[in-house]
Amino acid sequence: KAGVTQTPRYLIKTRGQQVTLSCSPISGHRSVSWYQQTPGQGLQFLFEYFSETQRNKGNFPGRFSGRQFSNSRSEMNVSTLELGDSALYLCASSSRQLHTEAFFGQGTRLTVV
Amino acid sequence: QQQVKQSPQSLIVQKGGISIINCAYENTAFDYFPWYQQFPGKGPALLIAIRPDVSEKKEGRFTISFNKSAKQFSLHIMDSQPGDSATYFCAATDNTDKLIFGTGTRLQVFP
Repeated sequence: KAGVTQTPRYLIKTRGQQVTLSCSPISGHRSVSWYQQTPGQGLQFLFEYFSETQRNKGNFPGRFSGRQFSNSRSEMNVSTLELGDSALYLCASSSRQLHTEAFFGQGTRLTVV
Repeated sequence: QQQVKQSPQSLIVQKGGISIINCAYENTAFDYFPWYQQFPGKGPALLIAIRPDVSEKKEGRFTISFNKSAKQFSLHIMDSQPGDSATYFCAATDNTDKLIFGTGTRLQVFP
């Protein structure tokens, strides 16, 4: 069974640009969550999508958005990039039965210069 | 109230020793407490998890101890091995399944 796939693995963007990250969940999983990981703030929840609907949202500015497609693949978009957006962005998929394991991808390392 | 506090920040243990990582929470709505292990360049992977209706859960060399009244839980790694060297995160969640992570503990096990 293939794991969670995130693309691209690495990205370098300039301040002010926008970026789109992609996540393909494990086959059959309908819930996709996104997390930001930084040395200073640790792992922070961005948002969760289930059946193309945003179910939960963390405390991030509106520049961070996402969507989920009918095949459960998800994309995350960050507009007007700031230096502080440099981070590892992790996607996790689960079957969305309450309290089942969330499987994480390897992440996308975003560097904003 | 959404925070999960984790300590220590780093831990050095000799091979064969016991590694202990502690976490504390405030939100009494939390009802599921997983621990994640993360190796460099990889995403976190679930190690072991516990619900507050039990005080201890053991899986192999890994044990979670849970103290509901103190709102604390800890991970014990028995017979620590160099392969256990990684960063460990405690987490908590309620019925939203939104994971609130601790700040992480970098464990180094020396032979």
